[in-house]
Amino acid sequence: EAQVTQNPRYLITVTGKKLTVTCSQNMNHEYMSWYRQDPGLGLRQIYYSMNVEVTDKGDVPEGYKVSRKEKRNFPLILESPSPNQTSLYFCASSFVQGDRGANVLTFGAGSRLTVL
Amino acid sequence: KNQVEQSPQSLIILEGKNCTLQCNYTVSPFSNLRWYKQDTGRGPVSLTIMTFSENTKSNGRYTATLDADTKQSSLHITASQLSDSASYICVVSGGTGGFKTIFGAGTRLFVKA
Repeated sequence: EAQVTQNPRYLITVTGKKLTVTCSQNMNHEYMSWYRQDPGLGLRQIYYSMNVEVTDKGDVPEGYKVSRKEKRNFPLILESPSPNQTSLYFCASSFVQGDRGANVLTFGAGSRLTVL
Repeated sequence: KNQVEQSPQSLIILEGKNCTLQCNYTVSPFSNLRWYKQDTGRGPVSLTIMTFSENTKSNGRYTATLDADTKQSSLHITASQLSDSASYICVVSGGTGGFKTIFGAGTRLFVKA
């Protein structure tokens, strides 16, 4: 089954304790991206990756890191989590069709993170 | 600034009725516009996707329109069902670099029996 898999789905941690949220897709998509969703704000892009070893900042990259060493994986790293990073996180992927081609995102089920 | 604004913020309709959701955007350059449906606590699922050359796209009871000149889009839902209760999110891709995705805050639709 074609899907985007995120882990963990739920996590409670404490301020300053490094954590990684994994994201893996089995559709051979070039494009992968991370978003956070907060009440009343909609989804906001954190980082995205056009292909292996190519990453770029979204609208809210502060406090996050990413890496794209393999095409299928795009982990989100919080080096020193803070309470304002408590949120619902989504990973998504899609094909890239030309420089400005259409791309339909496939989303993971979400990871709910609480930082105390 | 690249922005996507949706209206109304929430909407309650009776089962079987039609409704139209609005999306205005200021993203430039524009690549494509997508409508997603998101059930509570789950990831968004794509309904339609349109590039600048398309002005109407249908997917079953969902019909999206796009006016690239006025930078407006609408999502029309026909003969609503209880399962249509969800958030509907307008997403525009583009901006500098071409693949930033800007999400609207969504319209929360409640379909009542």
